[in-house]
Amino acid sequence: KQEVTQIPAALSVPEGENLVLNCSFTDSAIYNLQWFRQDPGKGLTSLLLIQSSQREQTSGRLNASLDKSSGRSTLYIAASQPGDSATYLCAVRSGGSEKLVFGKGTKLTVNP
Amino acid sequence: NAGVTQTPKFRILKIGQSMTLQCAQDMNHNYMYWYRQDPGMGLKLIYYSVGAGITDKGEVPNGYNVSRSTTEDFPLRLELAAPSQTSVYFCASSPGYGGDYEQYFGPGTRLTVT
Repeated sequence: KQEVTQIPAALSVPEGENLVLNCSFTDSAIYNLQWFRQDPGKGLTSLLLIQSSQREQTSGRLNASLDKSSGRSTLYIAASQPGDSATYLCAVRSGGSEKLVFGKGTKLTVNP
Repeated sequence: NAGVTQTPKFRILKIGQSMTLQCAQDMNHNYMYWYRQDPGMGLKLIYYSVGAGITDKGEVPNGYNVSRSTTEDFPLRLELAAPSQTSVYFCASSPGYGGDYEQYFGPGTRLTVT
């Protein structure tokens, strides 16, 4: 059974800092991995989708990497801003399954 | 293009009552999903559908029912509501199966059962 873990559960940083959020998964046979952002009281917004054949994806100040063999992904946020404050969720779709398995998320606070 | 819409946004139910959570998408996606999110937890899949007339159970289907009569709509039915069903419910859709497709989420329905 696929399990997804995100560490840390919460992170507080000063504005301008570069930071890394971690996601690990137990079964390396995945189709893809997605990073989402969730603002308080809102739905999820997809940030980056990494296919199993890819090593990384970039969008603006965000860079996500994937190492299937070690069961890890990282989300790198450059030059953080207060507007980046949100909960970041990682989810994997395992091979042969329609189901996304989610981690519990990392709550990020960027202080001005 | 409204994306994925959900109604209602909030609802309070008494124990034993029933209700239907509505979900609609205007992106012509075949795949639709219902998730629940409990406080401090990740999302768990309740039911999903790969097209009109086809539904299947997810991780936590007990106490819920779904139907998919059209591509656009995927309602979730709660029968005999219980306090354990207090949660935030998210509907999502995607254009296809496999590694190429993102899931697009609605804004959620916050349900309290007392």
